Amino acid sequence: KQEVTQIPAALSVPEGENLVLNCSFTDSAIYNLQWFRQDPGKGLTSLLLIQSSQREQTSGRLNASLDKSSGRSTLYIAASQPGDSATYLCAVMGSGTYKYIFGTGTRLKVLA
Amino acid sequence: EPEVTQTPSHQVTQMGQEVILRCVPISNHLYFYWYRQILGQKVEFLVSFYNNEISEKSEIFDDQFSVERPDGSNFTLKIRSTKLEDSAMYFCASSGTNSAGGEGYTFGSGTRLTVV
Repeated sequence: KQEVTQIPAALSVPEGENLVLNCSFTDSAIYNLQWFRQDPGKGLTSLLLIQSSQREQTSGRLNASLDKSSGRSTLYIAASQPGDSATYLCAVMGSGTYKYIFGTGTRLKVLA
Repeated sequence: EPEVTQTPSHQVTQMGQEVILRCVPISNHLYFYWYRQILGQKVEFLVSFYNNEISEKSEIFDDQFSVERPDGSNFTLKIRSTKLEDSAMYFCASSGTNSAGGEGYTFGSGTRLTVV
């Protein structure tokens, strides 16, 4: 049974810092992995999608990497801003299924 | 950019009542999903729907729940005889113009259901 863990659970950083959020999963037979952002009481906004055959994806200040064999993905946020404050969720889609298994998220606060 | 639309944004219902949560997926998507998030907990899969039938469901999705695509645009989740523990944020998602998950999901903004 796939389990997804995110570390750290919470993170508080000063504005301008580069930071790394971690996601690990127990079953490496995945189809893809998607990173989402969730603002308090709001929906899920897709940030980056990485297919199982890819090693990384980039969008603006965000870069996500995938190491399927070790069951890990990282989300790198460059030059963090207060507007980046949110919960970041990692979700893994296993092979042979089209459902996502979500991690518990990393709650990020960027201080001005 | 295409969106998944969910209504209502908030719903308060009495325990034992039936509720219907509504979703309008992205128009050319073929696969539809419901997830829920109890306050402070993980986002959990409920059900996936393709070609007018359920393709996969979780243990949570018992006989109390049903889904329907009553026309070409809406996708609904019905909860019969609601319980206090059904209080959660319910998310609809859609994916797939050609394949189910290869393009990832687009989620709606959610319906917060409160059972009192």
